Amino acid sequence: GAVVSQHPSWVICKSGTSVKIECRSLDFQATTMFWYRQFPKQSLMLMATSNEGSKATYEQGVEKDKFLINHASLTLSTLTVTSAHPEDSSFYICSAPKTSGRAGLANTGELFFGEGSRLTVL
Amino acid sequence: AQSVTQLDSHVSVSEGTPVLLRCNYSSSYSPSLFWYVQHPNKGLQLLLKYTSAATLVKGINGFEAEFKKSETSFHLTKPSAHMSDAAEYFCVVSERSSASKIIFGSGTRLSIRP
Repeated sequence: GAVVSQHPSWVICKSGTSVKIECRSLDFQATTMFWYRQFPKQSLMLMATSNEGSKATYEQGVEKDKFLINHASLTLSTLTVTSAHPEDSSFYICSAPKTSGRAGLANTGELFFGEGSRLTVL
Repeated sequence: AQSVTQLDSHVSVSEGTPVLLRCNYSSSYSPSLFWYVQHPNKGLQLLLKYTSAATLVKGINGFEAEFKKSETSFHLTKPSAHMSDAAEYFCVVSERSSASKIIFGSGTRLSIRP
C-alpha cells in the first residue's frame, strides 16, 4: 500500500542552526502534502499545506520565514526549521492525501502519515 | 463548518474488556469520518473509515465504528482490549465535497490495565 516516508526520525541540534525534515511519498505521487506539529499529549496542529510547484499555504500564526517548505517534486516535500530555538522543539509529522479518480485528482479525505520527526533544540 | 469532539481525553480499561472511544462530529455536508491510531513517537495509522457506504465499519485489529447520523456520532469500539491497543486515538472528519478540510479531534489516550 501507499507509504509516506519521513526522515529523520530524531534530530538534536544547537540553538541557531537550521534543520531540514524530508517527507517522501513512496509508490504514489502527492501534489499536496500537509505538515503538522504535535505538542506532548495534544492533537496535531496543521502548520502548512505544501503544494508541488507553487508556494506553500501557511496556517494563521505560523511564521513562513521560520518554517520553510519546499515541494520541488511530486514525491518530496521538505520542512526546514530555520534558526531553531528550544521552543521549536516538538514532534513534526507530514501527511499526503489519498486520491482517487482517473487522474488521481480527487481527494478522499484519507491521509497517509509519515512516521514523524522528533526535533530537540538545545 | 465542521468540528469533531472526542468526549474523553483518557480511557482506561482492563485487558480483555470492551473498549469504547467516543466521537461526535458536526458537518454541514455529508462527512467522511476516520479513526487513526498513534503509538508513542510514531505517525498515525488508519484504523477505519466511513465514506457513505455501510454505517457499521470494520477496521484493523478488531476495531469497528458505527456511523449514527441521528446522533452525529462515530464511536470506536472493540470487544476485547489487548495490551498492544494502548495508544492515542484520533477521530477525524472530512467534508466529502472538499476533502482539503480535514479536522482532527483532540485525541483519546487509551490505557490497558493488566
